[in-house]
Amino acid sequence: GAVVSQHPSRVICKSGTSVKIECRSLDFQATTMFWYRQFPKKSLMLMATSNEGSKATYEQGVEKDKFLINHASLTLSTLTVTSAHPEDSSFYICSASGNQGAANQPQHFGDGTRLSIL
Amino acid sequence: QQQVKQSPQSLIVQKGGISIINCAYENTAFDYFPWYQQFPGKGPALLIAIRPDVSEKKEGRFTISFNKSAKQFSLHIMDSQPGDSATYFCAALHWSNKLIFGAGTRLAVHP
Repeated sequence: GAVVSQHPSRVICKSGTSVKIECRSLDFQATTMFWYRQFPKKSLMLMATSNEGSKATYEQGVEKDKFLINHASLTLSTLTVTSAHPEDSSFYICSASGNQGAANQPQHFGDGTRLSIL
Repeated sequence: QQQVKQSPQSLIVQKGGISIINCAYENTAFDYFPWYQQFPGKGPALLIAIRPDVSEKKEGRFTISFNKSAKQFSLHIMDSQPGDSATYFCAALHWSNKLIFGAGTRLAVHP
């Protein structure tokens, strides 16, 4: 159980393009979803937290107009990288947890999206 | 201070040996401590986790030891196998539901 699916797994596109990444919880209701960015050989850096039906909370230094997050249902969150540039190239990973309000809920991660901007 | 310090950065172990990775934290607002295993090009997978009211948890070849007073916890991989070669991240869950990750340990198990 607790499967999180992320799509696409890899995207290569031209500078200036907007890219949408989907994150789905397949067998549980994800009241909270998280978006991370990971640079090569580095740890995961939290970008934003989204709760179903409400606006995402962005970490300091993350541009909310550049990284648009939508969490419209209990099983789907999307991250849109708007007007992507080469410096946005990275590995983006989502995670999901359920049972909002309950303590100690583990986060389950998707397999990530490798974004390459030419 | 929301920080989790992890060591070593890299680790080489012979097949059959014990791999030990250590983590330390400062913030007492953490209440759940998971370990994640990540293979190249994949997302982290939850390996094992412990709550602060427990001093040790074992699942198969993987054991977490937790020292609440010292604010330290460690992962032991017994009988390490080449298939265990991956990057391991310790983490701490803050009451705000944010996971704070350690820097990661790249484990290589040689045959």
